[in-house]
Amino acid sequence: EVQLVESGGALVRPGRSLRLSCAVSGFTFSSNWMTWVRQAPGKGLEWVANINQDGSEKYYVGSVRGRFTISRDNAKNSLYLQMNSLRAEDTAVYYCARRPRWAQTWYMDVWGKGTTVTVSS
Amino acid sequence: DIQMTQSPSSVSASVGDRVTITCRASQGIRNWIAWYRQKPGKAPELLIYATSTLQSGVPLRFSGSGSGTHFTLTISSLQPEDFATYYCQQSSSIPTLTFGGGTKVDIK
Repeated sequence: EVQLVESGGALVRPGRSLRLSCAVSGFTFSSNWMTWVRQAPGKGLEWVANINQDGSEKYYVGSVRGRFTISRDNAKNSLYLQMNSLRAEDTAVYYCARRPRWAQTWYMDVWGKGTTVTVSS
Repeated sequence: DIQMTQSPSSVSASVGDRVTITCRASQGIRNWIAWYRQKPGKAPELLIYATSTLQSGVPLRFSGSGSGTHFTLTISSLQPEDFATYYCQQSSSIPTLTFGGGTKVDIK
C-alpha cells in the first residue's frame, strides 16, 4: 500500500525552527518528484515546495523562499522540510504529496494525512 | 504568477443534484489543471487531472472540462460523501503550482 506519513509538527515560538519529516512506503520513492502543501486554519491549500527525484532541483513559494528548505533522503525513503525563522502566518497543517512518475502534467495523486505546525508566543 | 479564481465560493445542494464548479486562470494554462476533493479534517484527494482525466477509482459522476482559462468540475448526481470542499490546481507554471481558493459544497 502506498503511504505517506508526516511527523514533526509542534507548537513553536516565532523565530524558531522546526523540521518536518515524511516517511514514504509502498512505491519507489526515488522515482518521484515530491511536494509540500500547507493549509492554514480555515483557509485553502497553498503549495509550499517541490523537489525532484535526486534532490538537485528545489522550488519554493515566495513567502517561504530563503526560510524553508526541502530535502530528501532516498536511502531512507524520507522527505523533509526544514523551517527556519518561523512566523505566525506559517501556522498550518503541512501535507507531503507525491507527483506520479508517469504524469505528463503536474498533480499529486497520493497525500499524507498532514502534521500540524503552530507558531505562537 | 498565475492566479486561479474559483466560483462559487460555496454552494448549497441536495443529494442527487447536479453541481458545477468553475475555475478561471489569469492566463492560459493549456490543459494543466487538476481537481481535488477535501472532506472535513482529511487530506485532499485527487479527482481529475489534465482537465478531464478521471483518477483511478474516482466515480464516473465526476467530470472535468475546459480549455485556455476557463475550466469546470461537474458532479452529475451529488452523493452524501461529496459534501466537501473542492480545489482546482494549475501547473502550467511548473514547477510552481497554484490552487484555487476552494468551493465548499454543503447540504441545502
